[in-house]
Amino acid sequence: SQQGEEDPQALSIQEGENATMNCSYKTSINNLQWYRQNSGRGLVHLILIRSNEREKHSGRLRVTLDTSKKSSSLLITASRAADTASYFCATYLSGGYNKLIFGAGTRLAVHP
Amino acid sequence: KAGVTQTPRYLIKTRGQQVTLSCSPISGHRSVSWYQQTPGQGLQFLFEYFSETQRNKGNFPGRFSGRQFSNSRSEMNVSTLELGDSALYLCASSRDREEREQYFGPGTRLTVT
Repeated sequence: SQQGEEDPQALSIQEGENATMNCSYKTSINNLQWYRQNSGRGLVHLILIRSNEREKHSGRLRVTLDTSKKSSSLLITASRAADTASYFCATYLSGGYNKLIFGAGTRLAVHP
Repeated sequence: KAGVTQTPRYLIKTRGQQVTLSCSPISGHRSVSWYQQTPGQGLQFLFEYFSETQRNKGNFPGRFSGRQFSNSRSEMNVSTLELGDSALYLCASSRDREEREQYFGPGTRLTVT
């Protein structure tokens, strides 16, 4: 089964609202990453948070990591229609070199 | 810097045929990974190459193979295609250090009929 699982599977909001996506994982990690994918295209790296960090910001993105609960959340503030995409969390298995394990993703729809 | 490029972008093949997909990583990146994305299974790791050596392999049959050249460009090959191989195949490159962010190409959409 996949290392990361996102919640919710789908999210529909209005422009200007905040969007929160959650991710849970199963094993110990060194870092956790979030990626965005626009409809059927390549993934874009959004943010990487290390296991010794609790929170990280990048523009309108805020990521938290709780290693005790093996969970992370991605918050997009003041969402825009252009944020409409699928969002994936991903982790590396220990000793797995660059083998990324992805969650199932959250489909975000932002309506004008 | 140019991003990761993949060719071809779209491909239609029939069952039983074979296919070769190509990936050119970002200049200076020596690690290239391949992923398969399908609606049912999501994003799954295929294999990773570093300095022409396969360092890691996902849980895929032997029909899926790959290689990396001295200039870090990589190819993946799927032989004896099955309908279930229809997917978006994504290539990603990253720097030498492990467990860094990966940079993805636009993908190759393979349809097997």
